[in-house]
Amino acid sequence: GAVVSQHPSRVICKSGTSVKIECRSLDFQATTMFWYRQFPKQSLMLMATSNEGSKATYEQGVEKDKFLINHASLTLSTLTVTSAHPEDSSFYICSAQTGPEAFFGQGTRLTVV
Amino acid sequence: KQEVTQIPAALSVPEGENLVLNCSFTDSAIYNLQWFRQDPGKGLTSLLLIQSSQREQTSGRLNASLDKSSGRSTLYIAASQPGDSATYLCAVKDFNKFYFGSGTKLNVKP
Repeated sequence: GAVVSQHPSRVICKSGTSVKIECRSLDFQATTMFWYRQFPKQSLMLMATSNEGSKATYEQGVEKDKFLINHASLTLSTLTVTSAHPEDSSFYICSAQTGPEAFFGQGTRLTVV
Repeated sequence: KQEVTQIPAALSVPEGENLVLNCSFTDSAIYNLQWFRQDPGKGLTSLLLIQSSQREQTSGRLNASLDKSSGRSTLYIAASQPGDSATYLCAVKDFNKFYFGSGTKLNVKP
């Protein structure tokens, strides 16, 4: 199947700093990418839908100024967690779609201390 | 709003057993349904995709069925192995996005 690469897999940052997470589709072009957040022992919560060349569409309750999404090319989308706080600590997963099927990155474990 | 439920939340079986995981959804107007596997601390691996016009898909020891009218899907795993231990998620897709169930955590004991 298609490969989606997410980087970094783990990051620890200090409270108040910003963290950037990259999501790349390695062998296909993705006009749409999705960003999810997963709390321990819970399912995935969609944060935003990222479309190449346009502004991301955020789900209700997700702060767009805190979670900045940039989809600069057909193979790269980035999520920047700005002014991170401990409550932002979570597992973040990106997804890219080719045809009807969705493929997921390996996830990023963010810990804010 | 679409709601996806997975039963059971956890399942422990001895190696070699056949098992069924259940997924139900409230809105039958779906585009497709996809089953995923998630290992601890990892992303999702796509297992099977069923289009809304299909009734089942098979891959190796896995078989997934879809009954749109009743809002149900099942994932059948034949001859389970310890390596099958993981959390299994189902997700239904409307035109725009996926809705995930909370998953079934499977433990296959040697």
